[in-house]
Amino acid sequence: NAGVTQTPKFRVLKTGQSMTLLCAQDMNHEYMYWYRQDPGMGLRLIHYSVGEGTTAKGEVPDGYNVSRLKKQNFLLGLESAAPSQTSVYFCASSYGGAYSYEQYFGPGTRLTVT
Amino acid sequence: AQSVAQPEDQVNVAEGNPLTVKCTYSVSGNPYLFWYVQYPNRGLQFLLKYITGDNLVKGSYGFEAEFNKSQTSFHLKKPSALVSDSALYFCAVSYSGGYQKVTFGIGTKLQVIP
Repeated sequence: NAGVTQTPKFRVLKTGQSMTLLCAQDMNHEYMYWYRQDPGMGLRLIHYSVGEGTTAKGEVPDGYNVSRLKKQNFLLGLESAAPSQTSVYFCASSYGGAYSYEQYFGPGTRLTVT
Repeated sequence: AQSVAQPEDQVNVAEGNPLTVKCTYSVSGNPYLFWYVQYPNRGLQFLLKYITGDNLVKGSYGFEAEFNKSQTSFHLKKPSALVSDSALYFCAVSYSGGYQKVTFGIGTKLQVIP
């Protein structure tokens, strides 16, 4: 079991460029999440999905889009990167809703926008 | 509304001594409480959770936490610290009816001194 994997691990973008982060899980979890982690702010939820073909906005969705075409994959897109999106991005999945079930996290993607 | 506070940025403890990492919370319903640990350059790992039942919850790696409703606290404890316990610890809170909204604290860095 690989658990939750994320690609890429590191990325440097210039302002205005776009990119897609890929998250994959092999635990057959229904729920998947994208968070960003910034110093002194903990983790903040960007978008989440409660099943294949569904997505919903989290706490800080602006500037990001997501897709869940397959149950095991959850993609996070940045359409026009901004320096404020410099962060570490974590994907997570859970068997049930994260409000009561533990989440399994990927290793993270460190993104720098210059 | 829900919030969680981790009042200490860093906790230092000598190896072999007991450790406590503090967490207090605020929710509008019955709380669901979690502790996660993050090792350097890794994703978060689940340690334990309180949903209902016994106030003392036992988790992974010898950690436990005590739910105190009157003090709205959920402190993480371990009887004897190991150097390998050095990491960043996150408390998180949700509540029944909170759906996918889990609020994470900003984290407490635990340093175990040999």
